[in-house]
Amino acid sequence: DSGVTQTPKHLITATGQRVTLRCSPRSGDLSVYWYQQSLDQGLQFLIHYYNGEERAKGNILERFSAQQFPDLHSELNLSSLELGDSALYFCASSGSGTPETQYFGPGTRLLVL
Amino acid sequence: AQSVTQLGSHVSVSEGALVLLRCNYSSSVPPYLFWYVQYPNQGLQLLLKYTSAATLVKGINGFEAEFKKSETSFHLTKPSAHMSDAAEYFCAVSELGGKLIFGQGTELSVKP
Repeated sequence: DSGVTQTPKHLITATGQRVTLRCSPRSGDLSVYWYQQSLDQGLQFLIHYYNGEERAKGNILERFSAQQFPDLHSELNLSSLELGDSALYFCASSGSGTPETQYFGPGTRLLVL
Repeated sequence: AQSVTQLGSHVSVSEGALVLLRCNYSSSVPPYLFWYVQYPNQGLQLLLKYTSAATLVKGINGFEAEFKKSETSFHLTKPSAHMSDAAEYFCAVSELGGKLIFGQGTELSVKP
């Protein structure tokens, strides 16, 4: 158990819909990273938040957005969903130190029908 | 930009045999390198990381990796495979700011 929790575990929805994925980092970790894992693209970095502020963006679509709240949990919002958005979405958290070790949650498996 | 290449999307070994999973990186600065393992229907678990303190890094479950700058490699090895080692393994490099760039993964199968 990494200490990172993600909800829900599975999500099935239809094209055009909007979903919210939630992540609670390990106690004390200020950084939250979101990654997408798909068969064709592999593991891709989406976005990084540190203590409530966006720090870096990767290959994140404009239909996707994220935020980190004062209690440090984070949400990834996916809207206007397409079939190709079906994937496993991971969040990871890290503390300070170099290099920062990222601890991954169990993921949310999203299926868009 | 940094990148990681894992040679071999699938590796099969017999139980008790040597495990060798290959990873080559591309980086313009001294890299921070990681190996993660993903068991079916689970998240990624850190096996080991290279922080420039020592070129031979020991990790969990008997795995180790050697950083070779001249070869830009960070191959993962285990002397004797166990059935429980069957999983997908990812090599990753950390970019400035902490985001991880992953290789495509290598699925390890262990035959009895």
